[in-house]
Amino acid sequence: AQSVTQLGSHVSVSEGALVLLRCNYSSSVPPYLFWYVQYPNQGLQLLLKYTTGATLVKGINGFEAEFKKSETSFHLTKPSAHMSDAAEYFCAVGGTGRRALTFGSGTRLQVQP
Amino acid sequence: DAGITQSPRHKVTETGTPVTLRCHQTENHRYMYWYRQDPGHGLRLIHYSYGVKDTDKGEVSDGYSVSRSKTEDFLLTLESATSSQTSVYFCAISEGGRYSNQPQHFGDGTRLSIL
Repeated sequence: AQSVTQLGSHVSVSEGALVLLRCNYSSSVPPYLFWYVQYPNQGLQLLLKYTTGATLVKGINGFEAEFKKSETSFHLTKPSAHMSDAAEYFCAVGGTGRRALTFGSGTRLQVQP
Repeated sequence: DAGITQSPRHKVTETGTPVTLRCHQTENHRYMYWYRQDPGHGLRLIHYSYGVKDTDKGEVSDGYSVSRSKTEDFLLTLESATSSQTSVYFCAISEGGRYSNQPQHFGDGTRLSIL
């Protein structure tokens, strides 16, 4: 069984500040991990993914995430927040089998001017 | 953007009526999924398909049925809509495979209100 916990349903940062969105997962098999972003009235857009290999993964819009197996974490970061980063972010885990990804409950990021 | 079209984009209907939502893809992907999104719950899987006429249930499948007669189309039906099915519904597609390591690509959603 797989599960995802996103700590903090709402995160607020100032423009130019570090963005840190937390994701912890549970998986009985080596996980495949994803971050998605959702802008208002839109579907989810893939930010980045970890499958195998390098544990630091770079994505679009300056975001990156680091897979830490010992901590079962896959936190999303961006060095400097921009107003356009305001959106809801979802962490997801996949594994063996045909079934779909398991999503966290999401974190809404607000960026203050 | 992946070629995924959901229709309708918005629908208001009454309790007890049947409702069908359509997802159409132009990517020829094998896997298609229906999710619902509700505040505080993220996305929850309703049903998915791993090929024409091959479907399986997700975690919140009660009250929903699906059909896939062609690779490009995946239909979600609420046989008798209830107010608890008011939600935003998303279709997703994936190249899939034995391992869920392929990303899913999402449509823009259908906002369904059941009065």
